[in-house]
Amino acid sequence: EPEVTQTPSHQVTQMGQEVILRCVPISNHLYFYWYRQILGQKVEFLVSFYNNEISEKSEIFDDQFSVERPDGSNFTLKIRSTKLEDSAMYFCASSLAGGNTGELFFGEGSRLTVL
Amino acid sequence: RKEVEQDPGPFNVPEGATVAFNCTYSNSASQSFFWYRQDCRKEPKLLMSVYSSGNEDGRFTAQLNRASQYISLLIRDSKLSDSATYLCVVPLGNTPLVFGKGTRLSVIA
Repeated sequence: EPEVTQTPSHQVTQMGQEVILRCVPISNHLYFYWYRQILGQKVEFLVSFYNNEISEKSEIFDDQFSVERPDGSNFTLKIRSTKLEDSAMYFCASSLAGGNTGELFFGEGSRLTVL
Repeated sequence: RKEVEQDPGPFNVPEGATVAFNCTYSNSASQSFFWYRQDCRKEPKLLMSVYSSGNEDGRFTAQLNRASQYISLLIRDSKLSDSATYLCVVPLGNTPLVFGKGTRLSVIA
């Protein structure tokens, strides 16, 4: 069964460092997303990406965040200067149709710990 | 009113019990609704979609009440493997999905 894969599974970094989280969406999917979940809290939308550009982003997705699809398979999330409050599980997701049709396929997540 | 609200639980039920969760949403224009399941420290996975008044899949039934702006999830004959957090998910117009905080279910032997 096709799946979304994410690397690394866990990253520990110092405050102020840059972090890149990588995702390989399901190959025939057209829409890509990043969500995050702070421990014990709800899953929060960060950004959606379609046709090589950002289609929606939340208030959380400020200038410290960026996304890129550098080739035909990878979808990355970069945090330029990490803060303590960026510590969370970051989920990549993809869908064949737009997200409001409901079926998002999530990767297993990348746990980011900022010290 | 918050966009998506759920009773956080936990709901602790014995095996074989029937349990129901409710979720209220704020956007009356929402047309489709979803229940996702999330196991501890795992990714969310789609459980059921609700596009009209309801949907049934085996032991799981989802119902929609548009007038009162809530959806429910009913689980019959609970299994130990049903223990998880159940997330109510609602799209808000064209924006991607908004997740509720989830309702935690523990099924006890």
